[in-house]
Amino acid sequence: GQNIDQPTEMTATEGAIVQINCTYQTSGFNGLFWYQQHAGEAPTFLSYNVLDGLEEKGRFSSFLSRSKGYSYLLLKELQMKDSASYLCAVSDSNYQLIWGAGTKLIIKP
Amino acid sequence: DTAVSQTPKYLVTQMGNDKSIKCEQNLGHDTMYWYKQDSKKFLKIMFSYNNKELIINETVPNRFSPKSPDKAHLNLHINSLELGDSAVYFCASSQDRGSASGGWGEQFFGPGTRLTVL
Repeated sequence: GQNIDQPTEMTATEGAIVQINCTYQTSGFNGLFWYQQHAGEAPTFLSYNVLDGLEEKGRFSSFLSRSKGYSYLLLKELQMKDSASYLCAVSDSNYQLIWGAGTKLIIKP
Repeated sequence: DTAVSQTPKYLVTQMGNDKSIKCEQNLGHDTMYWYKQDSKKFLKIMFSYNNKELIINETVPNRFSPKSPDKAHLNLHINSLELGDSAVYFCASSQDRGSASGGWGEQFFGPGTRLTVL
C-alpha cells in the first residue's frame, strides 16, 4: 500500500528553527510536495522536490532523499504566523498526489 | 480575481437531503479535484477531472456525483446526506507541468465548504 508518515504535532519557540520530517512508501515517485494549511483555511503550496538535495526558499527549505524515502521541511526564524499544519504529499507513478495526515506546528512566544 | 472559488462556504442541512457544492477556477488549468477533509484533518481525494473527463474516482459512495460542464467548473452533488458526510470539502485545480515538475502536483485550493449534516 501507499503510506506517508509525519509527526502529528510539534511545538517550537518563536525565532527558533524546526524540522518536520516525512517518510513515504509509494508506488512510483514523481516528486514530493509540502503544503501549509492554517486553521480554517485551504492548503497552499510551499515547495517541490524531485531530485535529492536541499531546495531553499527564504526562511523555508525542503530536503529530499529518494533512496531513503525521506524528506524534511526546515523552517528558520520562526514567526507566530508559521503556526499551521504542514502537509507532505507524494506524486505517485500516475501523478496522483498521496497525502500525509499533516503535522500541526505550534509556535510559542 | 479569485483563482479557485467555491460556494457555499458553509452548508448546514438535515440527514437525507440532497445538496450541491459549486466550484470554479479562472486559472485556465486542465485538471480539477474534489477533496474531503474530516475532523482529523486527513485530506482525501474524491474525484479528479481532466478536460471534463473523470480520471480518478476513489472509493466514495455513489451518493456523491461530480459534474463538470466545462473545464473551468467542477460541481459536487450529494444525495441522501448522512451524518458521516460532515466535513470540509475542498475543490482544487492544477496544470500539468511535465514529469520534471511533478506533473499536476502543484494544486491550487478553493476556500473550502464546511458541510454539517444534522
